Amino acid sequence: GAGVSQTPSNKVTEKGKYVELRCDPISGHTALYWYRQSLGQGPEFLIYFQGTGAADDSGLPNDRFFAVRPEGSVSTLKIQRTERGDSAVYLCASSLGGDRTDTQYFGPGTRLTVL
Amino acid sequence: SQKIEQNSEALNIQEGKTATLTCNYTNYSPAYLQWYRQDPGRGPVFLLLIRENEKEKRKERLKVTFDTTLKQSLFHITASQPADSATYLCALDSNSGYALNFGKGTSLLVTP
Repeated sequence: GAGVSQTPSNKVTEKGKYVELRCDPISGHTALYWYRQSLGQGPEFLIYFQGTGAADDSGLPNDRFFAVRPEGSVSTLKIQRTERGDSAVYLCASSLGGDRTDTQYFGPGTRLTVL
Repeated sequence: SQKIEQNSEALNIQEGKTATLTCNYTNYSPAYLQWYRQDPGRGPVFLLLIRENEKEKRKERLKVTFDTTLKQSLFHITASQPADSATYLCALDSNSGYALNFGKGTSLLVTP
């Protein structure tokens, strides 16, 4: 079946602009995660949704970052007033959601470059 | 603060040999530990999960050990193949719930 998809695959923007990154999870998965991965680093947790609600947003670096999942499926990560330090690969993952040990399935990521 | 350490240097081994990757952690009491594989330009792919009360877990050519006293996990790939070349990430459950905390990963190169 279809895996997790993310769009766009690449996004180049200028410092100070607003960007939206989209994630389509595996159908039926209630849990959705956003991570950020910088070059040479492991993924860094940003936010976790269970259904429509953000169950854990402790990883969001500051209030320029916001994410929504209004219908419990597709999620959008929004970054305001982008900074060069925001450049990274943004990964989305989904899992069935019933248990902490449910396998997280990752998408290919969106590579964000802030000039 | 919580810390996860993986071999920072790339591991180069010859095809057919066993590759052993290390994951050490501090200031943690994880309930479980996971290993993921990541290829360039792709997202991580889940390989194995081992719980705190399990010493060892196997899946085909893969073996993971988990020593909660040493705060260490070892990941072994036996009879390695060039197709095993990738970055391998160690991940621990977070104290806050479902999120994972990842190490930096170790790059493995298997040469024919």
